[in-house]
Amino acid sequence: DAGVIQSPRHEVTEMGQEVTLRCKPISGHNSLFWYRQTMMRGLELLIYFNNNVPIDDSGMPEDRFSAKMPNASFSTLKIQPSEPRDSAVYFCASRLAANTGELFFGEGSRLTVL
Amino acid sequence: SQQGEEDPQALSIQEGENATMNCSYKTSINNLQWYRQNSGRGLVHLILIRSNEREKHSGRLRVTLDTSKKSSSLLITASRAADTASYFCATDAGSARQLTFGSGTQLTVLP
Repeated sequence: DAGVIQSPRHEVTEMGQEVTLRCKPISGHNSLFWYRQTMMRGLELLIYFNNNVPIDDSGMPEDRFSAKMPNASFSTLKIQPSEPRDSAVYFCASRLAANTGELFFGEGSRLTVL
Repeated sequence: SQQGEEDPQALSIQEGENATMNCSYKTSINNLQWYRQNSGRGLVHLILIRSNEREKHSGRLRVTLDTSKKSSSLLITASRAADTASYFCATDAGSARQLTFGSGTQLTVLP
């Protein structure tokens, strides 16, 4: 199995630009999570989906952030407009079902907003 | 907000020694998990312990859970340089079953 696949691995952009991060979960997994990791705040849960439906987006920082999961094999996290404080590593993770424990993480997308 | 807090924040030991990391949390949990993160990589699941379990082993890893104290520990025995990484505890709590991660312990194993 290829694991959770994220793209891009690195993105450098200028303030005000739109950023789209992509995730392909492991085939057959029904839950998908987006986390953000920074030195100051550690790992923060932004949003998660069960069966393509957003369950809890209370971790999304503000309206500039949006996430979609149009089908079971693809999700996007969009930031528009981006700001320097959005610089972080964004991780996507999936798990088999809503009530099982182990999360499988992608390698992350490192975002730098200048 | 972070549910789990690891202690110590950083730990440096010699190869062959044992490493112990602790995690404290605040609310009742369904299970507690430990993850490892190598520099620049994603997190990798190590072990899961359920709320009705007190101890669990996996290879060189031993995890304990004390629900009365809301704490867990991860012991890595006979450490190797390749064990150098950050280690995170994560709590699975409530009906939502989302995972909340602690702040992590940076372990350095010196050859």
